[in-house]
Amino acid sequence: NAGVTQTPKFRVLKTGQSMTLLCAQDMNHEYMYWYRQDPGMGLRLIHYSVGEGTTAKGEVPDGYNVSRLKKQNFLLGLESAAPSQTSVYFCASSYLGLARYNEQFFGPGTRLTVL
Amino acid sequence: AQSVTQPDIHITVSEGASLELRCNYSYGATPYLFWYVQSPGQGLQLLLKYFSGDTLVQGIKGFEAEFKRSQSSFNLRKPSVHWSDAAEYFCAVGLYNNNDMRFGAGTRLTVKP
Repeated sequence: NAGVTQTPKFRVLKTGQSMTLLCAQDMNHEYMYWYRQDPGMGLRLIHYSVGEGTTAKGEVPDGYNVSRLKKQNFLLGLESAAPSQTSVYFCASSYLGLARYNEQFFGPGTRLTVL
Repeated sequence: AQSVTQPDIHITVSEGASLELRCNYSYGATPYLFWYVQSPGQGLQLLLKYFSGDTLVQGIKGFEAEFKRSQSSFNLRKPSVHWSDAAEYFCAVGLYNNNDMRFGAGTRLTVKP
């Protein structure tokens, strides 16, 4: 039981390049989330998904796209990376939604640097 | 707009000393309240949570938190800190029927031997 895993762990991009971050969970959770963590700002929700094939915007969605084609996977895409997207990205999942007082399980994070 | 404030960016305590980390929130209703801990290079792990009932909540690793509605606070405490408690601690707040959880900026805890 691996929990929540993220691929890759580290990545360096040049401005304008694109990439996809992969999150996978093996707990059969319906809800999945992408956060970014910046110094002094805590975690901010980018996008989330309430089930296979459904996604919704969070607090800071601009510049990102997501897809949930399979229940266990949640992909975060950057179409044209900008230096402002340099951050640590965390994926999380939960059995029920945040609105139901549910614990989130977090992955180990992906450190992304955009030059 | 909802917000979460952790007034202390960094706290240093001696091993064996007591600890209190502060969290204040701004909401119109009673929110869901969480404390998470993040060890270096790791993801976040839930310490405890509160929605209703007894305002003193027990969590894992010997932590507890007290909800005070009149002060809009949910402070985390531990009577005796261990070196392994050195980490970053995040308070988080959510609302019923709303998937937008807000995290505080975090408090980094250093434990002196």
